[in-house]
Amino acid sequence: ETGVTQTPRHLVMGMTNKKSLKCEQHLGHNAMYWYKQSAKKPLELMFVYNFKEQTENNSVPSRFSPECPNSSHLFLHLHTLQPEDSALYLCASSQQGEKLFFGSGTQLSVL
Amino acid sequence: DAKTTQPPSMDCAEGRAANLPCNHSTISGNEYVYWYRQIHSQGPQYIIHGLKNNETNEMASLIITEDRKSSTLILPHATLRDTAVYYCIVKVGQGGSEKLVFGKGTKLTVNP
Repeated sequence: ETGVTQTPRHLVMGMTNKKSLKCEQHLGHNAMYWYKQSAKKPLELMFVYNFKEQTENNSVPSRFSPECPNSSHLFLHLHTLQPEDSALYLCASSQQGEKLFFGSGTQLSVL
Repeated sequence: DAKTTQPPSMDCAEGRAANLPCNHSTISGNEYVYWYRQIHSQGPQYIIHGLKNNETNEMASLIITEDRKSSTLILPHATLRDTAVYYCIVKVGQGGSEKLVFGKGTKLTVNP
């Protein structure tokens, strides 16, 4: 148990659906991250939030929309995704950008 | 952030020490060396980090060369559960906006 909880663990959605991934951290950290890991590829940083403010958007398509209502919660809203967006989506948190604590991820399949 | 170079794969016998190398020849003076590992289909797990001195914790030891251009992660008594992809990353230690950029890592297989 890392202190970072992601839900759901698995998600199957059609290309016209709208869904959201949720991440919650119980560590009192001030930074939260979304990473994407496609099959057999390195982790790709998507978004970074510090003190609820987005500080990094790594050229992510607008069909991915992050939301950080407070420093403990992070969402990733998904709409009109493509099959190539199927991947493991990982949330992480850190204090002042030091060691990251990752959740178990959401395995997303887009049909 | 400096780039790192790691062998794509390594094997180790159960109970023996696993020594995972990493080259980071362009590391800056204020960049730390971090190690993470990722067991299949799980999120990466922090292992250890260091700046100049060797470090040890309950999981592993980190040996950094004097010129800081390379380092070695040592798992002193590897078990089957240590089979994972190990990532060596260099970055400035603090600063919430600092990117943690993962490469391809080393796939360590611990054999019975």
